[in-house]
Amino acid sequence: GNSVTQMEGPVTLSEEAFLTINCTYTATGYPSLFWYVQYPGEGLQLLLKATKADDKGSNKGFEATYRKETTSFHLEKGSVQVSDSAVYFCALSSGGAQKLVFGQGTRLTINP
Amino acid sequence: DADVTQTPRNRITKTGKRIMLECSQTKGHDRMYWYRQDPGLGLQLIYYSFDVKDINKGEISDGYSVSRQAQAKFSLSLESAIPNQTALYFCATSTPTGGSVDEQFFGPGTRLTVL
Repeated sequence: GNSVTQMEGPVTLSEEAFLTINCTYTATGYPSLFWYVQYPGEGLQLLLKATKADDKGSNKGFEATYRKETTSFHLEKGSVQVSDSAVYFCALSSGGAQKLVFGQGTRLTINP
Repeated sequence: DADVTQTPRNRITKTGKRIMLECSQTKGHDRMYWYRQDPGLGLQLIYYSFDVKDINKGEISDGYSVSRQAQAKFSLSLESAIPNQTALYFCATSTPTGGSVDEQFFGPGTRLTVL
């Protein structure tokens, strides 16, 4: 079946550091890939997405590239801010049922 | 005002009690979902509904039931709560856009504790 594996957290960085959160997936067919972010006390929000191989999703300084050859969709940001502190979820959707399969989430804390 | 609301936001109950979690949305979306979130496990799909007359089981539907009372309302019930149903529950909505995948919009969550 379909599955998503994210790097273990928690991740703690200093402000302005470079961020990478790894995500790999297993899926039949050609899934679409997503990063969702959950700020404290809130529901999940879509951060970015990519629907086919080599697509790059980007938003708020975050980027992720759909790599079919390595089945990966790693999240990156060049210079993180304290306000980026949140839990980040990688997810995929495959097939016509519009169902999302989530990774376990990675908690990110940015210190000033 | 939030587009997807959930009530209650927090609930503590005892084993064997019946519990209903409610979700309402003002986005006009046809599709609604219930997920549970456990630490270290991400979100798992419990049930989903593509319109008022359509209800489907997700990955972990055992012990749960749902009701789609209207396009805007989707309730999740635990008929007889047990401690391993302690979790954070999220409702989400989406609407077909004609593209390959639709974004889902999440409510703020309900934290349920079963003692």
